[in-house]
Amino acid sequence: NAGVTQTPKFQVLKTGQSMTLQCAQDMNHEYMSWYRQDPGMGLRLIHYSVGAGITDQGEVPNGYNVSRSTTEDFPLRLLSAAPSQTSVYFCASSYLPGNTEAFFGQGTRLTVV
Amino acid sequence: GENVEQHPSTLSVQEGDSAVIKCTYSDSASNYFPWYKQELGKRPQLIIDIRSNVGEKKDQRIAVTLNKTAKHFSLHITETQPEDSAVYFCAEGTGNQFYFGTGTSLTVIP
Repeated sequence: NAGVTQTPKFQVLKTGQSMTLQCAQDMNHEYMSWYRQDPGMGLRLIHYSVGAGITDQGEVPNGYNVSRSTTEDFPLRLLSAAPSQTSVYFCASSYLPGNTEAFFGQGTRLTVV
Repeated sequence: GENVEQHPSTLSVQEGDSAVIKCTYSDSASNYFPWYKQELGKRPQLIIDIRSNVGEKKDQRIAVTLNKTAKHFSLHITETQPEDSAVYFCAEGTGNQFYFGTGTSLTVIP
């Protein structure tokens, strides 16, 4: 039981490049989400999904896309990276949205130059 | 997030003293309030949570209190130890989302 697995752990992108952050969970959780963590701003919700085929926007969705084709996987795509997207990204999953423990992946430190 | 205010942003205590972190929220429909601990370079991990039908919950040296009328909840750590040094986040569960506070960096001085 690996929990929530996120890859890569570190990434450097040039402005304008695109990439996908991978997230997978093996706990059969319906709810998955992506957060970004910036100094002094806590964890801010980017996108979330309440089940396969269903996604919705969080607080800071601009510049990011998600899809949820399976219960296990919830990738986050940066379409055209900008320096403002330099951050630490966390994927999380939980059994019930907003009502049970959220399990976090190990995080991805992304730098856009 | 803007739904949850967390104070203080930094806190230093002597080993053995108590630490208190406070959060206020705005959504009266919220019913789940977890606290997460994040050590440097690591992922956030749940340390304690409380639901709206309970006023206080305790787990060894940590406790959480909830005042639904005033819409605030607090984390209490007693007999602090150096390994308690970390960033602590409160969160409010509402609808399909968690809203997190901005974090408190706790330093326990040996």
